[in-house]
Amino acid sequence: AQRVTQPEKLLSVFKGAPVELKCNYSYSGSPELFWYVQYSRQRLQLLLRHISRESIKGFTADLNKGETSFHLKKPFAQEEDSAMYYCALWGGYQKVTFGTGTKLQVIP
Amino acid sequence: EPEVTQTPSHQVTQMGQEVILRCVPISNHLYFYWYRQILGQKVEFLVSFYNNEISEKSEIFDDQFSVERPDGSNFTLKIRSTKLEDSAMYFCASWPGTGAYEQYFGPGTRLTVT
Repeated sequence: AQRVTQPEKLLSVFKGAPVELKCNYSYSGSPELFWYVQYSRQRLQLLLRHISRESIKGFTADLNKGETSFHLKKPFAQEEDSAMYYCALWGGYQKVTFGTGTKLQVIP
Repeated sequence: EPEVTQTPSHQVTQMGQEVILRCVPISNHLYFYWYRQILGQKVEFLVSFYNNEISEKSEIFDDQFSVERPDGSNFTLKIRSTKLEDSAMYFCASWPGTGAYEQYFGPGTRLTVT
Protein backbone atom coordinates (compact mmCIF):
# COMPACT_ATOMS: atom_id res chain seq x y z
CA ALA A 1 0.00 0.00 0.00
CA GLN A 2 1.18 3.52 -0.66
CA ARG A 3 0.87 6.19 1.98
CA VAL A 4 1.95 9.80 2.38
CA THR A 5 2.14 11.45 5.77
CA GLN A 6 2.30 15.17 6.37
CA PRO A 7 2.39 15.54 10.15
CA GLU A 8 1.69 19.28 10.32
CA LYS A 9 -1.74 20.65 9.46
CA LEU A 10 -0.58 24.22 9.92
CA LEU A 11 2.84 25.80 9.84
CA SER A 12 3.19 29.47 10.71
CA VAL A 13 6.45 31.27 10.06
CA PHE A 14 7.52 34.87 9.91
CA LYS A 15 8.46 36.45 6.61
CA GLY A 16 12.14 35.85 5.96
CA ALA A 17 12.33 32.80 8.19
CA PRO A 18 13.26 29.36 6.85
CA VAL A 19 10.49 26.94 5.98
CA GLU A 20 10.45 23.16 6.15
CA LEU A 21 7.31 21.21 5.33
CA LYS A 22 7.63 17.58 6.29
CA CYS A 23 6.60 14.61 4.20
CA ASN A 24 7.18 10.93 4.80
CA TYR A 25 6.06 8.15 2.52
CA SER A 26 5.53 4.43 2.44
CA TYR A 27 5.87 2.51 -0.80
CA SER A 28 7.37 -0.83 -1.70
CA GLY A 29 8.97 0.21 -4.99
CA SER A 30 10.67 3.33 -6.31
CA PRO A 31 8.07 6.07 -6.34
CA GLU A 32 7.93 9.41 -8.03
CA LEU A 33 7.44 12.13 -5.44
CA PHE A 34 5.95 15.54 -5.92
CA TRP A 35 4.96 18.68 -4.11
CA TYR A 36 1.77 20.44 -5.21
CA VAL A 37 0.63 23.89 -4.10
CA GLN A 38 -2.96 25.09 -3.94
CA TYR A 39 -3.72 28.77 -3.43
CA SER A 40 -7.07 29.58 -1.86
CA ARG A 41 -9.35 26.92 -3.40
CA GLN A 42 -7.74 27.15 -6.82
CA ARG A 43 -6.31 24.47 -9.00
CA LEU A 44 -3.52 22.18 -7.98
CA GLN A 45 -0.20 23.41 -9.26
CA LEU A 46 2.82 21.19 -9.51
CA LEU A 47 5.55 22.85 -7.51
CA LEU A 48 8.34 20.37 -8.01
CA ARG A 49 9.13 16.71 -8.60
CA HIS A 50 12.03 14.83 -7.17
CA ILE A 51 13.20 13.39 -10.46
CA SER A 52 14.00 16.76 -12.00
CA ARG A 53 15.81 18.04 -8.91
CA GLU A 54 14.80 21.58 -9.81
CA SER A 55 14.14 24.58 -7.62
CA ILE A 56 10.88 26.44 -8.13
CA LYS A 57 10.13 29.75 -6.41
CA GLY A 58 13.10 29.08 -4.15
CA PHE A 59 11.71 25.76 -2.90
CA THR A 60 13.75 22.57 -2.94
CA ALA A 61 13.06 19.03 -1.83
CA ASP A 62 15.47 16.14 -1.44
CA LEU A 63 14.40 12.55 -1.54
CA ASN A 64 15.87 10.60 1.36
CA LYS A 65 15.23 6.95 0.67
CA GLY A 66 16.72 5.83 3.95
CA GLU A 67 14.30 7.95 5.96
CA THR A 68 11.56 7.70 3.28
CA SER A 69 11.18 11.44 3.42
CA PHE A 70 10.73 14.21 0.90
CA HIS A 71 10.70 17.42 2.94
CA LEU A 72 10.08 20.75 1.22
CA LYS A 73 12.39 23.60 2.15
CA LYS A 74 12.83 27.26 1.46
CA PRO A 75 15.49 29.42 3.12
CA PHE A 76 13.46 32.65 3.31
CA ALA A 77 9.66 32.60 3.40
CA GLN A 78 7.68 35.24 1.51
CA GLU A 79 4.09 36.31 2.09
CA GLU A 80 3.04 34.97 -1.32
CA ASP A 81 4.11 31.50 -0.23
CA SER A 82 1.04 31.26 2.00
CA ALA A 83 -0.97 28.33 0.60
CA MET A 84 -1.79 24.66 1.06
CA TYR A 85 1.03 22.31 0.19
CA TYR A 86 0.44 18.67 -0.67
CA CYS A 87 3.08 16.01 -0.87
CA ALA A 88 2.18 13.27 -3.36
CA LEU A 89 3.46 9.88 -4.40
CA TRP A 90 3.02 8.10 -7.70
CA GLY A 91 4.05 4.56 -8.49
CA GLY A 92 3.53 4.84 -12.21
CA TYR A 93 0.38 3.64 -14.07
CA GLN A 94 -1.57 3.83 -10.83
CA LYS A 95 -3.20 6.54 -8.77
CA VAL A 96 -1.41 9.46 -7.22
CA THR A 97 -1.64 9.34 -3.44
CA PHE A 98 -1.76 12.71 -1.72
CA GLY A 99 -0.92 13.62 1.83
CA THR A 100 -3.39 15.50 4.00
CA GLY A 101 -1.67 18.77 3.27
CA THR A 102 0.04 21.47 5.30
CA LYS A 103 -1.24 24.99 5.38
CA LEU A 104 1.69 27.39 5.29
CA GLN A 105 0.96 30.76 6.81
CA VAL A 106 3.64 33.41 6.39
CA ILE A 107 3.25 36.21 8.91
CA PRO A 108 4.32 39.66 7.68
CA GLU B 1 2.07 23.60 -23.73
CA PRO B 2 -0.93 21.22 -23.88
CA GLU B 3 -3.22 21.21 -20.85
CA VAL B 4 -6.03 19.15 -19.46
CA THR B 5 -9.26 21.13 -19.55
CA GLN B 6 -12.45 20.64 -17.58
CA THR B 7 -15.97 21.95 -17.96
CA PRO B 8 -17.87 23.45 -16.31
CA SER B 9 -15.70 25.23 -13.78
CA HIS B 10 -18.61 25.30 -11.33
CA GLN B 11 -21.77 23.22 -11.34
CA VAL B 12 -24.67 23.64 -8.96
CA THR B 13 -27.25 20.87 -8.83
CA GLN B 14 -30.06 19.69 -6.62
CA MET B 15 -29.85 16.53 -4.58
CA GLY B 16 -31.00 13.53 -6.56
CA GLN B 17 -30.13 15.01 -9.94
CA GLU B 18 -27.66 13.50 -12.38
CA VAL B 19 -24.53 15.43 -13.27
CA ILE B 20 -21.88 14.88 -15.90
CA LEU B 21 -18.47 16.42 -15.45
CA ARG B 22 -16.40 16.74 -18.57
CA CYS B 23 -12.68 16.57 -19.16
CA VAL B 24 -10.55 16.85 -22.26
CA PRO B 25 -7.26 15.08 -21.58
CA ILE B 26 -4.08 15.90 -23.45
CA SER B 27 -4.46 14.46 -26.93
CA ASN B 28 -1.85 11.70 -27.03
CA HIS B 29 -2.42 10.52 -23.46
CA LEU B 30 -3.67 7.00 -22.80
CA TYR B 31 -4.41 6.90 -19.07
CA PHE B 32 -7.15 8.98 -17.48
CA TYR B 33 -8.06 9.61 -13.87
CA TRP B 34 -10.63 11.31 -11.67
CA TYR B 35 -9.88 12.65 -8.19
CA ARG B 36 -12.06 14.38 -5.64
CA GLN B 37 -11.32 16.99 -2.99
CA ILE B 38 -13.98 17.73 -0.42
CA LEU B 39 -13.59 21.24 0.96
CA GLY B 40 -10.84 21.35 3.54
CA GLN B 41 -9.73 17.78 2.91
CA LYS B 42 -7.06 16.08 0.86
CA VAL B 43 -7.27 15.04 -2.77
CA GLU B 44 -8.60 11.48 -3.08
CA PHE B 45 -8.36 9.08 -5.99
CA LEU B 46 -11.64 7.95 -7.53
CA VAL B 47 -10.92 5.96 -10.67
CA SER B 48 -8.40 5.27 -13.40
CA PHE B 49 -9.28 4.42 -16.99
CA TYR B 50 -7.20 2.80 -19.72
CA ASN B 51 -8.02 1.15 -23.02
CA ASN B 52 -11.71 1.95 -22.60
CA GLU B 53 -12.12 0.30 -19.27
CA ILE B 54 -11.67 1.00 -15.58
CA SER B 55 -8.26 -0.17 -14.42
CA GLU B 56 -8.60 0.76 -10.76
CA LYS B 57 -11.24 2.33 -8.55
CA SER B 58 -11.44 3.38 -4.95
CA GLU B 59 -14.09 2.49 -2.40
CA ILE B 60 -15.58 5.94 -2.96
CA PHE B 61 -16.37 5.04 -6.58
CA ASP B 62 -19.61 3.17 -5.99
CA ASP B 63 -22.51 2.38 -8.32
CA GLN B 64 -23.55 6.02 -8.33
CA PHE B 65 -20.46 6.88 -10.34
CA SER B 66 -19.54 5.97 -13.88
CA VAL B 67 -16.91 7.05 -16.36
CA GLU B 68 -16.89 7.09 -20.10
CA ARG B 69 -14.78 8.12 -23.03
CA PRO B 70 -17.60 8.81 -25.47
CA ASP B 71 -15.37 9.97 -28.30
CA GLY B 72 -11.69 10.45 -29.04
CA SER B 73 -11.30 13.54 -26.91
CA ASN B 74 -13.68 13.66 -23.93
CA PHE B 75 -13.54 11.80 -20.64
CA THR B 76 -16.61 12.11 -18.46
CA LEU B 77 -17.59 11.41 -14.87
CA LYS B 78 -21.28 10.84 -14.25
CA ILE B 79 -22.93 10.90 -10.85
CA ARG B 80 -26.38 9.36 -11.20
CA SER B 81 -28.21 10.70 -8.17
CA THR B 82 -26.21 13.34 -6.38
CA LYS B 83 -26.04 13.55 -2.62
CA LEU B 84 -25.04 16.49 -0.45
CA GLU B 85 -21.77 14.76 0.37
CA ASP B 86 -20.82 14.69 -3.33
CA SER B 87 -20.13 18.43 -3.08
CA ALA B 88 -16.44 18.71 -3.83
CA MET B 89 -13.84 19.78 -6.35
CA TYR B 90 -13.36 17.11 -8.99
CA PHE B 91 -10.04 16.93 -10.79
CA CYS B 92 -9.34 15.08 -14.00
CA ALA B 93 -5.81 13.96 -14.86
CA SER B 94 -4.11 12.21 -17.75
CA TRP B 95 -0.82 10.49 -18.50
CA PRO B 96 0.69 9.45 -21.83
CA GLY B 97 1.84 6.05 -20.60
CA THR B 98 5.51 6.56 -21.35
CA GLY B 99 7.99 9.38 -21.43
CA ALA B 100 6.45 11.44 -18.66
CA TYR B 101 7.04 11.29 -14.93
CA GLU B 102 3.83 12.90 -13.75
CA GLN B 103 0.10 12.95 -14.24
CA TYR B 104 -1.22 16.17 -15.68
CA PHE B 105 -4.10 17.67 -13.71
CA GLY B 106 -6.94 19.81 -14.98
CA PRO B 107 -8.17 22.94 -13.19
CA GLY B 108 -11.08 21.14 -11.55
CA THR B 109 -14.86 21.39 -11.49
CA ARG B 110 -16.44 22.60 -8.30
CA LEU B 111 -19.66 20.65 -7.74
CA THR B 112 -22.18 22.06 -5.28
CA VAL B 113 -25.14 19.88 -4.38
CA THR B 114 -28.00 21.72 -2.67
